[in-house]
Amino acid sequence: GAVVSQHPSWVICKSGTSVKIECRSLDFQATTMFWYRQFPKQSLMLMATSNEGSKATYEQGVEKDKFLINHASLTLSTLTVTSAHPEDSSFYICSARGPAGEQFFGPGTRLTVL
Amino acid sequence: GEDVEQSLFLSVREGDSSVINCTYTDSSSTYLYWYKQEPGAGLQLLTYIFSNMDMKQDQRLTVLLNKKDKHLSLRIADTQTGDSAIYFCAAYGGSQGNLIFGKGTKLSVKP
Repeated sequence: GAVVSQHPSWVICKSGTSVKIECRSLDFQATTMFWYRQFPKQSLMLMATSNEGSKATYEQGVEKDKFLINHASLTLSTLTVTSAHPEDSSFYICSARGPAGEQFFGPGTRLTVL
Repeated sequence: GEDVEQSLFLSVREGDSSVINCTYTDSSSTYLYWYKQEPGAGLQLLTYIFSNMDMKQDQRLTVLLNKKDKHLSLRIADTQTGDSAIYFCAAYGGSQGNLIFGKGTKLSVKP
């Protein structure tokens, strides 16, 4: 099946710094990628939809200036958490839409902000 | 919009069958999915079913869809300890073509 990778798999940073998370579709091109956030023991909440070559579409309540998304190529989308704070600590998961409309998920990135 | 509900916990003995249930609200959902999440890991697609099907079998997994009642179930035959995980039901329903997830059912398998 199709593979989606995320990097890094985990990151610890100080409050106030920015962190970039990469999501790559390894063996297929994805014009659409999704970024989800998962709090402990909770379900996945969609943060934004990333479309190659255009601006991301953010869900209500998600600050676009805080969570910067760039989908510069058909195989790469990045999520940058700017000026991170402890409440941004979470598990961030991306998915890429495959050629048949199915979604393939990355392994997730655990962010801890001290 | 779409709303997906599932029970939060299920405990079974090794070798028994597990049945995880899910309900959804949007009857226009064309695909319904089951994902598995092991601790600290991402989501693994287990299986999916088209809305015009009522059953799909894939080795130990059987998906049943009752479209009239908007009820989806996942049956795992001969459940093993390695099946212990959180299982998410998901349906297409977001305005961006994204998936809407249930809260997940934590399956515990006792030896």
